Amino acid sequence: DTEVTQTPKHLVMGMTNKKSLKCEQHMGHRAMYWYKQKAKKPPELMFVYSYEKLSINESVPSRFSPECPNSSLLNLHLHALQPEDSALYLCASSQDSRESYLFPYEQYFGPGTRLTVT
Amino acid sequence: AQKITQTQPGMFVQEKEAVTLDCTYDTSDPSYGLFWYKQPSSGEMIFLIYQGSYDQQNATEGRYSLNFQKARKSANLVISASQLGDSAMYFCAMSPRGKTSYDKVIFGPGTSLSVIP
Repeated sequence: DTEVTQTPKHLVMGMTNKKSLKCEQHMGHRAMYWYKQKAKKPPELMFVYSYEKLSINESVPSRFSPECPNSSLLNLHLHALQPEDSALYLCASSQDSRESYLFPYEQYFGPGTRLTVT
Repeated sequence: AQKITQTQPGMFVQEKEAVTLDCTYDTSDPSYGLFWYKQPSSGEMIFLIYQGSYDQQNATEGRYSLNFQKARKSANLVISASQLGDSAMYFCAMSPRGKTSYDKVIFGPGTSLSVIP
């Protein structure tokens, strides 16, 4: 099973709302990632969790708050977003590349959440 | 600094023809992986194929093959017998093998492929 699931698929929220995006994987991967993607652009890394600990925060504004409750789940809490935050938010997971002798492992992506901030 | 270049912003191919999507990269890491992902208009990033920097043979997965030329730092994707469902955005990506349990992937700008019936 190489599936990463994300909910909801679509989300429309006002600038004063609080909402959460959810991501789940059951592949036993210990690294999980949040990406933001604007139309016709490559994904931009936002956060990385490794073994449930935040390992990378790419200077993301505090209105985005990640959470990793356990090894299978990753949340992204949203509060007081701006219209420019409208984008596709992708979750991904990967194996621990230290287990590979030579090369990194590929990342598996979820279907994404299309977020519109009004 | 690591960088991925995809020089073809958009490409067209006739159905059933083969097409090559270009990718060049720049890295000083001795050990790294190269990946191709497909992203249809639905949004999901689909992993297609992978090449390790020490692999002697070019990777193949069904209709996908990766033309890896290490000295030229290129990793072109070849799609044989194009199908209408191949119309999508294609991203070339690279990740060095680091000492951490996670990987920081660098993506290229992408190539939009349209398959014409």
